[in-house]
Amino acid sequence: ELKVEQNPLFLSMQEGKNYTIYCNYSTTSDRLYWYRQDPGKSLESLFVLLSNGAVKQEGRLMASLDTKARLSTLHITAAVHDLSATYFCAVGSGGSNYKLTFGKGTLLTVNP
Amino acid sequence: GAGVSQSPSNKVTEKGKDVELRCDPISGHTALYWYRQSLGQGLEFLIYFQGNSAPDKSGLPSDRFSAERTGGSVSTLTIQRTQQEDSAVYLCASSSQAGQPQHFGDGTRLSIL
Repeated sequence: ELKVEQNPLFLSMQEGKNYTIYCNYSTTSDRLYWYRQDPGKSLESLFVLLSNGAVKQEGRLMASLDTKARLSTLHITAAVHDLSATYFCAVGSGGSNYKLTFGKGTLLTVNP
Repeated sequence: GAGVSQSPSNKVTEKGKDVELRCDPISGHTALYWYRQSLGQGLEFLIYFQGNSAPDKSGLPSDRFSAERTGGSVSTLTIQRTQQEDSAVYLCASSSQAGQPQHFGDGTRLSIL
């Protein structure tokens, strides 16, 4: 059974600081997703990582994937308040990796 | 363009009643998924439809849960004889094909009294 662990589950940081969210998973997969969820809202797709060593960046967020270590990271650079949200990683399994197993999410709060 | 549309947005019902939740995927998306989000269990996969293929129902928690997808488009998730533990947000997602990023609807918040 595929297990996905995120840490930390809660992250409070000051504006302008950097931090990294970690996502470990238990079985081989070559498809990992990062989603953002604002309170009371649905999930917004941020990144899809398809291969070992993949790195994607959008604004102050950068995601990477190490399939050998079964580890993905989401790095936040110079955080701003607008980044406050819950971030989920999800790992694909099944044919074509259609079945997503989610981590428990990281609640990020960026304080002025 | 229009995203994934779910209805109702909120549903309150009494224990033991049946409920139907509707999902209208993004036009042209062949893959459709249902998930459940609850405080205790997080986000859980329920069922997956791909075109005319047999669905993957492996995530349905009990035989009280069923889903269908008519004409390869709209999907309905039905919960019979609801229990309090069924209270959760039910999310529908679609993608252009399996493995592509899944686009989520706003969900149906189901509360069982």
